Amino acid sequence: EPEVTQTPSHQVTQMGQEVILRCVPISNHLYFYWYRQILGQKVEFLVSFYNNEISEKSEIFDDQFSVERPDGSNFTLKIRSTKLEDSAMYFCASSRPQVPGYGYTFGSGTRLTVV
Amino acid sequence: KQEVTQIPAALSVPEGENLVLNCSFTDSAIYNLQWFRQDPGKGLTSLLLIQSSQREQTSGRLNASLDKSSGRSTLYIAASQPGDSATYLCAGKGGSEKLVFGKGTKLTVNP
Repeated sequence: EPEVTQTPSHQVTQMGQEVILRCVPISNHLYFYWYRQILGQKVEFLVSFYNNEISEKSEIFDDQFSVERPDGSNFTLKIRSTKLEDSAMYFCASSRPQVPGYGYTFGSGTRLTVV
Repeated sequence: KQEVTQIPAALSVPEGENLVLNCSFTDSAIYNLQWFRQDPGKGLTSLLLIQSSQREQTSGRLNASLDKSSGRSTLYIAASQPGDSATYLCAGKGGSEKLVFGKGTKLTVNP
């Protein structure tokens, strides 16, 4: 069964450093997403990406965040200057909403620890 | 603004018991509702998706229902097993492409 692949599985970074989280969505999916889950809290939407541009973003997704699809397979989330409160599990997801009944497929996540 | 609530927050049952997990949402204009399983420190595994035009979906020992008028969905697990122990999340999709998640129900099935 097709999977969404995320790398790395765990990243530790110093406060103020830039990080790039990487994802390979399912190849025939058209929508790509980033969500995050702070320990003990709900999974929260960050951003959706369609047709090479951001289609929707949350209040969390401020100027410190950016997304990119640099080639036909990768989808990245960049945090420019990490803060302690950015420590969370970050999930990438993709979907094919043009197919009725087709839900979201999530990756296994990247645990980001900011120290 | 869509809000999703899951009750109970935690549930502990003996092996073999049938159980029901509850999910409620505030906005009945829901396009679909998806149930996920999350093991500790792991990703989200999709279990069932119910479209707004459907009332239930079944997969093996799992059955999920959706009642838009009352703003509720339930996940029924038959003959629970220790391997079912995990956190179960429900998430609703409205008019936009984003999913709104509940906080989850942590299920423990005791041998």
